[in-house]
Amino acid sequence: EAGVAQSPRYKIIEKRQSVAFWCNPISGHATLYWYQQILGQGPKLLIQFQNNGVVDDSQLPKDRFSAERLKGVDSTLKIQPAKLEDSAVYLCASSSPGEGPLEAFFGQGTRLTVV
Amino acid sequence: SQQGEEDPQALSIQEGENATMNCSYKTSINNLQWYRQNSGRGLVHLILIRSNEREKHSGRLRVTLDTSKKSSSLLITASRAADTASYFCATAISGGYNKLIFGAGTRLAVHP
Repeated sequence: EAGVAQSPRYKIIEKRQSVAFWCNPISGHATLYWYQQILGQGPKLLIQFQNNGVVDDSQLPKDRFSAERLKGVDSTLKIQPAKLEDSAVYLCASSSPGEGPLEAFFGQGTRLTVV
Repeated sequence: SQQGEEDPQALSIQEGENATMNCSYKTSINNLQWYRQNSGRGLVHLILIRSNEREKHSGRLRVTLDTSKKSSSLLITASRAADTASYFCATAISGGYNKLIFGAGTRLAVHP
C-alpha cells in the first residue's frame, strides 16, 4: 500500500513570499489532515477535510493560509504572504473514517524555512 | 490549542530499562492514540486504545487509559537504543468529525 505523499520535502522562502505544499493521501482515505509542527512542539491541527469538504479549520490563520481538496483526493496548502513564524514542518495525514478517527498515516512532511 | 499534555517532557534511560510516559487530556474522547517520531521524520502510529478499554498491549508496549482521570500512560519495556524518539499522545475528540489532537510530546533518549 502506497503511503501519504508530500512535496516538496524542503522549501526556503523569503518573508512575504508565497508557498504551496501538496499532499496525496492513501487511496480510499476520506479524512485528510494538515498539521503544523514547530520545532520542539507537537503537531497542531490546521485543517481537516472529510472527502472534499472542510470539517474543521478553527486553527487555520485564514488571513494568510488556505487549503483545498479537489475531488476529495489530493490537497494543497498555501501560505500567502509568509511570515518568519511560519517556519515549521507541515505534515499531511490521512485516515479512514470510523468510530472516532482510526490510525492516521503521515507523510514525511515539508520543512519550510522563512528567512 | 493542545488537548493533551505529556509528562515528562524529556526522559533519559539506559538500554534494558523501562520507559513510562504519561498523557493528560481535557475533553471527552472516542479513543487515544500514541505515535512515535524519529528526528526529522513523519509520525508513525504505535497503538490505539478506545474509551471503553482500560489496557492494551502490543509487543513491548503497554498502554493504559483512565477516563475518570482523563489520563493515559505508555510503557515501553526493555528499551533499546532504537527506541530513541519523540512520543506523542493524540486524542480523538468525541462528537464532530473525528478531530485528532496531539500533545506536546515526550523526548525519549535510550543510551547503550
